[in-house]
Amino acid sequence: DAKTTQPPSMDCAEGRAANLPCNHSTISGNEYVYWYRQIHSQGPQYIIHGLKNNETNEMASLIITEDRKSSTLILPHATLRDTAVYYCIVRVSYTDKLIFGTGTRLQVFP
Amino acid sequence: GAGVSQTPSNKVTEKGKYVELRCDPISGHTALYWYRQSLGQGPEFLIYFQGTGAADDSGLPNDRFFAVRPEGSVSTLKIQRTERGDSAVYLCASSLNARSDEQFFGPGTRLTVL
Repeated sequence: DAKTTQPPSMDCAEGRAANLPCNHSTISGNEYVYWYRQIHSQGPQYIIHGLKNNETNEMASLIITEDRKSSTLILPHATLRDTAVYYCIVRVSYTDKLIFGTGTRLQVFP
Repeated sequence: GAGVSQTPSNKVTEKGKYVELRCDPISGHTALYWYRQSLGQGPEFLIYFQGTGAADDSGLPNDRFFAVRPEGSVSTLKIQRTERGDSAVYLCASSLNARSDEQFFGPGTRLTVL
């Protein structure tokens, strides 16, 4: 699986959009971009995934650049409960393991 | 509905002892995964089961670690002759099948080896 690079930490004001970047310059054509988050003392939680088109669900939006070498996870209206570590992962869909990096620690403040 | 459950939530043991960690996946999920998470790090893959068989055990660090899933549901991760370096949170996840995109994680078992 390709390696990802994320900033170690970010801050966001409550109610504002949180934009979390991820670089995956060595991504292969059959690898998807997945995002998980981990709230303190809990297991990771799936957020969203995509291949090359932008994706949106009830939790977030995923914007993938045309060359697929980077992506951005967008939480449109961050709340205090969105404070967590966010992991960007690239993997071949339908394969077994997730390879986590160290993620981005997002702190949402009032 | 019920999510993935793990027991115990905390386990403290002494160096050299044997421990068992249990995972109850979501009912009907055929794929089950074990990960280990050290402080400040992301989870690290250990082993993956599809049904009763271990489909990928490439993440097990050495032969002191072993996992079983005899009936294709509950899984037990077994660690022999524990070492202080085994201290971590052990996470279990399940998914509907091997082709599922989403893995559902349990809360983890915090293992402390003194």
